[in-house]
Amino acid sequence: KAGVTQTPRYLIKTRGQQVTLSCSPISGHRSVSWYQQTPGQGLQFLFEYFSETQRNKGNFPGRFSGRQFSNSRSEMNVSTLELGDSALYLCASSSSTPNYGYTFGSGTRLTVV
Amino acid sequence: ELKVEQNPLFLSMQEGKNYTIYCNYSTTSDRLYWYRQDPGKSLESLFVLLSNGAVKQEGRLMASLDTKARLSTLHITAAVHDLSATYFCAVGWNNDMRFGAGTRLTVKP
Repeated sequence: KAGVTQTPRYLIKTRGQQVTLSCSPISGHRSVSWYQQTPGQGLQFLFEYFSETQRNKGNFPGRFSGRQFSNSRSEMNVSTLELGDSALYLCASSSSTPNYGYTFGSGTRLTVV
Repeated sequence: ELKVEQNPLFLSMQEGKNYTIYCNYSTTSDRLYWYRQDPGKSLESLFVLLSNGAVKQEGRLMASLDTKARLSTLHITAAVHDLSATYFCAVGWNNDMRFGAGTRLTVKP
C-alpha cells in the first residue's frame, strides 16, 4: 500500500514569506502528526490532527498552523518565515490507535533565505 | 512536561562488538518506539513496545521496555557497518510521541 506522501520535497523561501506543506497519510489512517527536525533542536512536535480536529499542539509560535481535511490529508502553514524556520518538516500518520506505531513521510526540506 | 533522554549521543563501535543504547523518560507511558534515520532520509520504524517487559528482536537489534524504571534499551549484537545510522527513541504521550535527542552510531571495520 502507498506510504505517507509529503509535498513538496524541497522548498526555498525568502524571509517574511509564507509556506504551505502537504501530507497525505496512509489510506485508512486518521491521525496525522507534524514534526520539525533541526540539527540544534532535534525532533520537535508541532501538532497532531485526528478526524479534522487538532488534538495536541507543541510549543511553537502562532505563525505555525495546520489543518486536516475530511479525507485525512493535512496541511501545515508557516507565515512570516524566519531564518530559524529552516528545517526538515516530517509528518507521520497512524491508525486510530497508535499501537501499531507511526509511519513517516519523506519530509519537506524548507530553506529560508 | 515529558522529558526523554538518550545516551550515549554518539557511539563509535567496531564491527563484531556489542553495545546498548539507553532511553530514559520522565513520565509514565506504556508506549515506546524506536526509529532509525539515515543521513538525509526520513525515519524508519524499528520497534513498537507496548507493555512492561516487552522485548522485540529484529536481526542484530533487540529492544526492551521497563515501564516501572521508565527505561528502554536498544541492544546491538555483533555490529556491522550497515547499522551505521542515527537511532531515536520516542515515548507515547497524549495521542502522540516525544523524541529523544538521538544516538549517532558509527560502526567501523
